[in-house]
Amino acid sequence: SQQGEEDPQALSIQEGENATMNCSYKTSINNLQWYRQNSGRGLVHLILIRSNEREKHSGRLRVTLDTSKKSSSLLITASRAADTASYFCATVATDSWGKLQFGAGTQVVVTP
Amino acid sequence: DAGVIQSPRHEVTEMGQEVTLRCKPISGHNSLFWYRQTMMRGLELLIYFNNNVPIDDSGMPEDRFSAKMPNASFSTLKIQPSEPRDSAVYFCASPRSPGVNTEAFFGQGTRLTVV
Repeated sequence: SQQGEEDPQALSIQEGENATMNCSYKTSINNLQWYRQNSGRGLVHLILIRSNEREKHSGRLRVTLDTSKKSSSLLITASRAADTASYFCATVATDSWGKLQFGAGTQVVVTP
Repeated sequence: DAGVIQSPRHEVTEMGQEVTLRCKPISGHNSLFWYRQTMMRGLELLIYFNNNVPIDDSGMPEDRFSAKMPNASFSTLKIQPSEPRDSAVYFCASPRSPGVNTEAFFGQGTRLTVV
């Protein structure tokens, strides 16, 4: 079963715009991670945020975590055509050994 | 570092045949995940190894599936006999380190088609 649920399922924006996607999860977590998957490729890790952190930045990426609402958001600022991909959140539950459980993903299309 | 290496990249086989998927994790990473990805079910964790030992195989769909990690540099996922519903992309991933606060590095996947 999937732990995280991303919203929206699909997002279409123009270059230069910001893209925001959300992830909700069900259980208590150690950390939440975001991954990107280009078509036909493997997943690439973007950012990890621990349960005691509220916000994290990496380049044009900004991730927030609200453990009281069991939700996270990923913001991509000034998007580029190369950001076109599927984005997945994955959680590691507190009672797990490091088991990564993925959501269904958000498909992002950035048009030039 | 070449990253996580999977082979083959594509496999087409007939129903009932045995299929073996291979994975070479990143050197020094002592843990390994096998995932399956389909449109209907998304990314499903099949099995997790730590120090070559299966820690959690609760995601393995049924007895037709088996996985081994004979040493730290090699793992296989075998399906015998294969069925059309096994068609999916299979990924292996090696976490940087065992434990909870670590990212995973994915291979490029094996696209399996069972006809």
